[in-house]
Amino acid sequence: AQTVTQSQPEMSVQEAETVTLSCTYDTSESDYYLFWYKQPPSRQMILVIRQEAYKQQNATENRFSVNFQKAAKSFSLKISDSQLGDAAMYFCAYRTGTASKLTFGTGTRLQVTL
Amino acid sequence: KAGVTQTPRYLIKTRGQQVTLSCSPISGHRSVSWYQQTPGQGLQFLFEYFSETQRNKGNFPGRFSGRQFSNSRSEMNVSTLELGDSALYLCASSIGLAGSVDEQFFGPGTRLTVL
Repeated sequence: AQTVTQSQPEMSVQEAETVTLSCTYDTSESDYYLFWYKQPPSRQMILVIRQEAYKQQNATENRFSVNFQKAAKSFSLKISDSQLGDAAMYFCAYRTGTASKLTFGTGTRLQVTL
Repeated sequence: KAGVTQTPRYLIKTRGQQVTLSCSPISGHRSVSWYQQTPGQGLQFLFEYFSETQRNKGNFPGRFSGRQFSNSRSEMNVSTLELGDSALYLCASSIGLAGSVDEQFFGPGTRLTVL
């Protein structure tokens, strides 16, 4: 069974600084996708970034980028120039290419301080 | 385009009752997935419906059921409620065509409290 592990329950970063959230996963599949979702206090889950396992290049979306290490099964999220609006729960998630079921990690609560 | 809507947003029930939650996907989306979010178990996949058929199912007891209508709206039902069913229930919609990995858009959730 596929599992997703987030070992950092909470992280804190100062405004304008950079923070990295960790995620590891376990799978025997070759065709899979990885995601980072953000869940602010309003509770609505928002997709931050996605990575296709077959792509070697790390995905980037504005201030958000990932470090995808396929052999190590590691998928970390880097947030640059952190903003107060980045404060939220961040979930790492996995799915295969054939089923839409998302398997989530336990989440990392990110605090952004002035 | 309107986002995913879920009704009701909040619900209080007592043990033994049943409950029905509703999810309206984004227009044109045919796949609806349901997730349960609790502090103890995190986010867990319940089931997915596509074109009125259950396409995937998670590891939940038979008390949890769902269906999808021809307009892609979906309902989930929980019978004989237990205290442990208290959770935030999220639905997510996507276009859902086989072989495509399109973005899933989440609704705001229904907060169910079982007393």
